[in-house]
Amino acid sequence: GAGVSQSPSNKVTEKGKDVELRCDPISGHTALYWYRQSLGQGLEFLIYFQGNSAPDKSGLPSDRFSAERTGGSVSTLTIQRTQQEDSAVYLCASSSLPGLAGVETQYFGPGTRLLVL
Amino acid sequence: DQQVKQNSPSLSVQEGRISILNCDYTNSMFDYFLWYKKYPAEGPTFLISISSIKDKNEDGRFTVFLNKSAKHLSLHIVPSQPGDSAVYFCAARQGGSEKLVFGKGTKLTVNP
Repeated sequence: GAGVSQSPSNKVTEKGKDVELRCDPISGHTALYWYRQSLGQGLEFLIYFQGNSAPDKSGLPSDRFSAERTGGSVSTLTIQRTQQEDSAVYLCASSSLPGLAGVETQYFGPGTRLLVL
Repeated sequence: DQQVKQNSPSLSVQEGRISILNCDYTNSMFDYFLWYKKYPAEGPTFLISISSIKDKNEDGRFTVFLNKSAKHLSLHIVPSQPGDSAVYFCAARQGGSEKLVFGKGTKLTVNP
């Protein structure tokens, strides 16, 4: 079966514009995660979905960032009024079982490389 | 405040020798630790994990050691192979939370 897919793979935008990043998780996976990796940094947690609900939004860096998930499947991460510091690789992961049993089964997509000029 | 630290940005070893990647953490509430491997232009892939109730977990050529008193874990790869060349991330999870906290990664190069 297909893995986690993300689109677009690359996105170049101008400062101040809004962008939408999409994640298609593995079919049947109930948990979905967004992370970002800035240059020279580790992965930084942004938000976690269980089904369509987001029990943990603690990693969203500002109110310019929002995410939603519909139908327990596709998720969209939206960044409004982009800034240069938003430039990073945005990674999505999905898991079939949240919690201890499923921590090790977070499957990552290839990421979206966002460059804000 | 970096809770998971990988102090070596890079490591180079010869094929067939042992690779040892290190990771330190500061949060004593972490109860589960993972190693991920990442190739360029790909997402990270899970490698091996360890619960805080254990001090060692082995899977083939990969072994993770956990020293809770020192808040230190390490990943041993033996024997190292050129295909192991990648960036390795250490990650940790606090009980009751779903999020993983990652280190900055160590780039491993295995020379033929």
